[in-house]
Amino acid sequence: DIVMTQGALPNPVPSGESVSITCRSSKSLLYSDGKTYLNWYLQRPGQSPQLLIYWMSTRASGVSDRFSGSGSGTDFTLKISGVEAEDVGVYYCQQGLEFPRTFGGGTKLELK
Amino acid sequence: VQLVESGGGLVQPGKSLKLSCSASGFTFSSYGMHWIRQAPGKGLDWVAYISSSSGTVYADAVKGRFTISRDNAKNTLYLQLNSLKSEDTAIYYCARSGYLRYWGQGVMVTVSS
Repeated sequence: DIVMTQGALPNPVPSGESVSITCRSSKSLLYSDGKTYLNWYLQRPGQSPQLLIYWMSTRASGVSDRFSGSGSGTDFTLKISGVEAEDVGVYYCQQGLEFPRTFGGGTKLELK
Repeated sequence: VQLVESGGGLVQPGKSLKLSCSASGFTFSSYGMHWIRQAPGKGLDWVAYISSSSGTVYADAVKGRFTISRDNAKNTLYLQLNSLKSEDTAIYYCARSGYLRYWGQGVMVTVSS
């Protein structure tokens, strides 16, 4: 199985600050079609997860442009430019390359 | 797009339960579907997938105990949970395939005597 490992944030984060969340996969998620099958989700308290980024760097429709995704085949970053109160929650990376689909353990964002 | 789960509840270890996920707002028969669960206070855990042509894949932890199925005429996804264990206690979400763009609100399954 592909193991997904996420980094932590130095919580609490001051409002307006930019933060980066890291994620590493145990296998390259770059497929022969040129896409990297890495997705990012935000789960706000008490809510279902929502898709933020897919194919490593494509923002889902309706998602603020304060969110951006980047990376290589195995190392990925979700950047939030200027955190706001609505960004609070747990962020998950997930690989969509192989079954079983696997998620990172989650990275909690708290606001100061 | 709307996904609405139902069928959760409290069940004793070793018993069975069947979850449903009612889909609307898209052509259900054209999409693969997933079940994903989240134990209390824990992270997301992928459970099972069914393709548009009804091919299935399961997580090792549920293989042989859970069965995913679909009824395209009813726009409904199912998850049959058998031989339930305490570690199956979780919120169960259905999600549409692609890149899990759409999720339901989840349904709670509690396995306890």
